[in-house]
Amino acid sequence: QVQLVQSGAEVKKPGASVKVSCKASGYTFTSYGISWVRQAPGQGLEWMGWISVYNGKTYYAQRFQGRVTMTTDTSTSTAYMELRSLRSDDTAVYYCARGAGGDCLDWGQGTLVTVSS
Amino acid sequence: QSVLTQPPSASGTPGQRVTISCSGGSSNIGSNSVYWYQQLPGTAPKLLIYRSDQRPSGVPDRFSGSKSGSSASLAISGLRSEDGADYYCAAWDDSLSGVVFGGGTKLTVL
Repeated sequence: QVQLVQSGAEVKKPGASVKVSCKASGYTFTSYGISWVRQAPGQGLEWMGWISVYNGKTYYAQRFQGRVTMTTDTSTSTAYMELRSLRSDDTAVYYCARGAGGDCLDWGQGTLVTVSS
Repeated sequence: QSVLTQPPSASGTPGQRVTISCSGGSSNIGSNSVYWYQQLPGTAPKLLIYRSDQRPSGVPDRFSGSKSGSSASLAISGLRSEDGADYYCAAWDDSLSGVVFGGGTKLTVL
């Protein structure tokens, strides 16, 4: 069965960076994109972007342009999302999901990133 | 302020049929597919509807989606207590070149 297993919770100081991993199994990793979606406490879902695992092309939401980098390692079937210059309002649960363009069938369990001084 | 507009709450009694609306514009719902997600407390979202009216394998046929113009709806028939959750619509937005979500609708089963 398809599984996406994310890295554990992180606590970061403002201005720092965080890199969340998402290890995929149960399907051909290069056949699907990986999307990243976040959810601030008590808030709705926010799309951050997605990466084509096949060719590495990335599509970022405008508000994260210049601050986010999405990558993949096909040798380990792992996707990564790095967010830089963290602010307190970046505190959220970050999800990876298999798919692109809103069509995400399988999701990771989520990674809580807390930004606090 | 979400690009797609959903009512913040909805409710129904067991066995009832409820609908949740999602209003957008020509650059998103009007020209692209709509997706619906269910999120139970403390869990990751689950895809309920894709391509506006298609159900993934394993999703009960009590859930159905439709789209007309720049609006979409999710209908849940034969409401059950376990349907109490947050529901989100999503679509690609051509102007923003990205996916936009609705603000979410909290469904309460009375």
